[in-house]
Amino acid sequence: RKEVEQDPGPFNVPEGATVAFNCTYSNSASQSFFWYRQDCRKEPKLLMSVYSSGNEDGRFTAQLNRASQYISLLIRDSKLSDSATYLCVVGGGDSWGKFQFGAGTQVVVTP
Amino acid sequence: DTGVSQDPRHKITKRGQNVTFRCDPISEHNRLYWYRQTLGQGPEFLTYFQNEAQLEKSRLLSDRFSAERPKGSFSTLEIQRTEQGDSAMYLCASSSDTGGNPTYNEQFFGPGTRLTVL
Repeated sequence: RKEVEQDPGPFNVPEGATVAFNCTYSNSASQSFFWYRQDCRKEPKLLMSVYSSGNEDGRFTAQLNRASQYISLLIRDSKLSDSATYLCVVGGGDSWGKFQFGAGTQVVVTP
Repeated sequence: DTGVSQDPRHKITKRGQNVTFRCDPISEHNRLYWYRQTLGQGPEFLTYFQNEAQLEKSRLLSDRFSAERPKGSFSTLEIQRTEQGDSAMYLCASSSDTGGNPTYNEQFFGPGTRLTVL
């Protein structure tokens, strides 16, 4: 079983709609959680960190459920520019410097 | 440009050859990471450094792989006797080590080196 699992999608979302997806992780000792965005053939870039209380950054909302070991990302009012692969990242489980990435969830926003 | 840089961007080699990649992190960052990414997968952790010390290596990093960061600045990743299965994008990332537990710090990625082993 992979340490971080994501639904690969694609999630086809009409422009302006809301989309949400989850990521599960297996190491209960994990300490840090992130969502990164990766465009085709580009490097990953941080979208947002995920805090225990949940957090929001504009149209993006992230939640952490430690009991069930999953994190979620919700995108409101989807824009065409939101089309990308969203990588779930979990860190600090085995050691401070080791981060595990999910395989990514592809989101395609259509006009 | 003060981001993470990697060189070369593309490398094509024949099976059995050795290759070396270079990563220059953001100058004030003392943590440096190497990842490998294949099509349809997320980056897989290979190793990381704090300054010049290599603190952890993944089981993925066979003895054909070696990474160094001799002066705590740039890093090199060498693959000896390359195999076709080594074909992948090799990503380098760096982060700062401030504000307490560094596991909370954002990693900044370079553009990657795409390796093709024929």
